[in-house]
Amino acid sequence: SQTIHQWPATLVQPVGSPLSLECTVEGTSNPNLYWYRQAAGRGLQLLFYSVGIGQISSEVPQNLSASRPQDRQFILSSKKLLLSDSGFYLCASARGTGGDLYYGYTFGSGTRLTVV
Amino acid sequence: GIQVEQSPPDLILQEGANSTLRCNFSDSVNNLQWFHQNPWGQLINLFYIPSGTKQNGRLSATTVATERYSLLYISSSQTTDSGVYFCAVEARETSGSRLTFGEGTQLTVNP
Repeated sequence: SQTIHQWPATLVQPVGSPLSLECTVEGTSNPNLYWYRQAAGRGLQLLFYSVGIGQISSEVPQNLSASRPQDRQFILSSKKLLLSDSGFYLCASARGTGGDLYYGYTFGSGTRLTVV
Repeated sequence: GIQVEQSPPDLILQEGANSTLRCNFSDSVNNLQWFHQNPWGQLINLFYIPSGTKQNGRLSATTVATERYSLLYISSSQTTDSGVYFCAVEARETSGSRLTFGEGTQLTVNP
């Protein structure tokens, strides 16, 4: 079965500093990859998704960007963080090939970002 | 885009009670999942259930795709069941591009 690694688990960053969150996937190939954010409260918002290396679709205009330099690596970045970027960031994988046949989405353990 | 509504938004139970959580969605789906978000924030997949009925221990789920709803049943609830339960769907028309979440049901099970 596939496993998603996210790091760091928690992060406190000052306003205006850069950001880099990394997500790597094991146990599958050619997955679709996703970045979600959960702000205070419950809702999960899709930020970016990727169907392949170098292919990024952005869902909402914002201060963040994403990159997929390798098949199983997805990176979320910012050049200058805003207070509103605080939240819980989750990476997800779906529709990979190989391994167990599973059509659902699998999520990583998340990164809790606090911008101060 | 597809809309996902969950009810109730909050639910408080005594240990041992049963409960039913509901998820309504506004369009045809090819994926529906129920998740439990634990106190550390991790989303634990409970069921992949775009249609039909599944059971896993004290939990079971039913999706009636033609009527656009899904139900999650929790029997003999335990304090460890506390947390937020999310329903999430992938619309058929945007297959592969996203999972759309409801706002969740906050479940509290008291001893």
